[in-house]
Amino acid sequence: GAGVSQSPSNKVTEKGKDVELRCDPISGHTALYWYRQSLGQGLEFLIYFQGNSAPDKSGLPSDRFSAERTGGSVSTLTIQRTQQEDSAVYLCASSLKAAARENTEAFFGQGTRLTVV
Amino acid sequence: KNQVEQSPQSLIILEGKNCTLQCNYTVSPFSNLRWYKQDTGRGPVSLTIMTFSENTKSNGRYTATLDADTKQSSLHITASQLSDSASYICVVSAKTYKLSFGAGTTVTVRA
Repeated sequence: GAGVSQSPSNKVTEKGKDVELRCDPISGHTALYWYRQSLGQGLEFLIYFQGNSAPDKSGLPSDRFSAERTGGSVSTLTIQRTQQEDSAVYLCASSLKAAARENTEAFFGQGTRLTVV
Repeated sequence: KNQVEQSPQSLIILEGKNCTLQCNYTVSPFSNLRWYKQDTGRGPVSLTIMTFSENTKSNGRYTATLDADTKQSSLHITASQLSDSASYICVVSAKTYKLSFGAGTTVTVRA
């Protein structure tokens, strides 16, 4: 596609429910990142994919969070048994290579605003 | 722990005026520094990216500077427009795949 696409744009869920967030990266981009942005805070790294593998999952806040990527393309971030502190904007970014090391551009989606009530 | 600190947290300027945003970092070993613009409800969009050897880079009315010795960067906005109202985020990377984000400076341009 023309850019990184995330769905849904907004999600309101009840505490304790599971949610699944989707990211469609730019075609051909091998690197994919998930970040979380809380109100007034900087972006918090969650997980990095190179192809279908995730070399670094250290940013996932708890074992309720998981992510997968299939076919080197679409990625889903799943949050189980959601808590109110999970409320945030979840941003996905993709790049041709590992953006930070390779000085390549990282393109962001518009984010999914998750509200846990 | 790698950190990126931005100042001010927010500022208000009149349309047509200039402003300068600051970024101090402790990320090491340094690879590159980026400035992003994030409009409300949108994802960040890249303005500039600078490596160790670059001191300044411009993108239209945006000019970024980098002093790798003092680990400081600035973003200067010239002749501000209403559309410049946004959050400006400083992003620094070490020689890994990780990007370290500052909390951002919220700029409000008023007519």
